Amino acid sequence: NAGVTQTPKFRVLKTGQSMTLLCAQDMNHEYMYWYRQDPGMGLRLIHYSVGEGTTAKGEVPDGYNVSRLKKQNFLLGLESAAPSQTSVYFCASSRASPQETQYFGPGTRLLVL
Amino acid sequence: LAKTTQPISMDSYEGQEVNITCSHNNIATNDYITWYQQFPSQGPRFIIQGYKTKVTNEVASLFIPADRKSSTLSLPRVSLSDTAVYYCLVGGDTGRRALTFGSGTRLQVQP
Repeated sequence: NAGVTQTPKFRVLKTGQSMTLLCAQDMNHEYMYWYRQDPGMGLRLIHYSVGEGTTAKGEVPDGYNVSRLKKQNFLLGLESAAPSQTSVYFCASSRASPQETQYFGPGTRLLVL
Repeated sequence: LAKTTQPISMDSYEGQEVNITCSHNNIATNDYITWYQQFPSQGPRFIIQGYKTKVTNEVASLFIPADRKSSTLSLPRVSLSDTAVYYCLVGGDTGRRALTFGSGTRLQVQP
């Protein structure tokens, strides 16, 4: 039981490049989330999903897209990376509601030059 | 949104009890109060959750007054390994309101 895993762990992009971050969970959770955390700051919700095939915007969705084609996977895409998107990205999942315990992945550190 | 307010930072010494208070004046009837702990370079992890009065587990206690407009996380006899950022979350079952972490409280435990 791996819990929540994230791929890749670290990535460097040039401005304008695109990439996809992958989050996978093996706990059969309905809810999945993508957060970003800037240095010395709290976590801000980017997008979330309440089930397979559904997605919703969070606090800071601009510049990101997501997809949840399979229940266990939640993808975060950056179509045209900007330096302002330099951050640590955390994925999380919870069983059936945001109030229930959220289990976090180890994070992806992204640097946009 | 159910906005929360916490102290930015706190200092303590090993063996002391630490109490971190979170204000949430706009808490809704269905909202629960949840606390997470985050170590550097790691994702947050769940500590404790409550709705009213007092909740205790093997790690911490959570005190919630009758009006539920604040809550206090209590860490008994802290050690150096309790140095971390602590987040208070307030939210309901669905929607964006459930998922606001805020800036958290940075706890530094000294020997």
